[in-house]
Amino acid sequence: NAGVTQTPKFQVLKTGQSMTLQCAQDMNHNSMYWYRQDPGMGLRLIYYSASEGTTDKGEVPNGYNVSRLNKREFSLRLESAAPSQTSVYFCASATSGGDEQYFGPGTRLTVT
Amino acid sequence: GENVEQHPSTLSVQEGDSAVIKCTYSDSASNYFPWYKQELGKRPQLIIDIRSNVGEKKDQRIAVTLNKTAKHFSLHITETQPEDSAVYFCAARTSGNTPLVFGKGTRLSVIA
Repeated sequence: NAGVTQTPKFQVLKTGQSMTLQCAQDMNHNSMYWYRQDPGMGLRLIYYSASEGTTDKGEVPNGYNVSRLNKREFSLRLESAAPSQTSVYFCASATSGGDEQYFGPGTRLTVT
Repeated sequence: GENVEQHPSTLSVQEGDSAVIKCTYSDSASNYFPWYKQELGKRPQLIIDIRSNVGEKKDQRIAVTLNKTAKHFSLHITETQPEDSAVYFCAARTSGNTPLVFGKGTRLSVIA
């Protein structure tokens, strides 16, 4: 099993550009999450999907959109990137009602 | 919503000494408290967790204690080794379908 995978690993964008971060899991998990990690700020939840077909906002959703494409895939879209969105983005998944969240390897995004 | 405070933000210990990291939470309905370890450049990984019906849990050199009355929980690492150097995150959650809320992290340095 690959677990949770994310693409790309690194990305540099110019202000105003758009992009989609991809996440997939092969553990048959129902719940999936997107976090951003900034120095000294911990892991902040952007959006989550408790099950296929549902998505909910987290703590810092502004400037982002998500799509739960199917049970395996959960994508995060930046429509118009801003320097404040420079961060490391982690996707995670868990079983419904499950405890352990499994994280992907992360995407390091820089917006200039 | 839930709020998790974590202290200290940085901690340096001599190899072989003990390290203690403390977290407080705000929602008395929270019932699940995991700890994640993140090595430099890697993804967060679960190292130990505790539920609200248990006061203490131990796994080799690491232990977690929970005080529901005071709404705080702690991670204890004994006989620290250089490979324990990492950022540690605590988290809390009220039910299986709600996302984890993370603390801001503690950077632990074990000095050989």
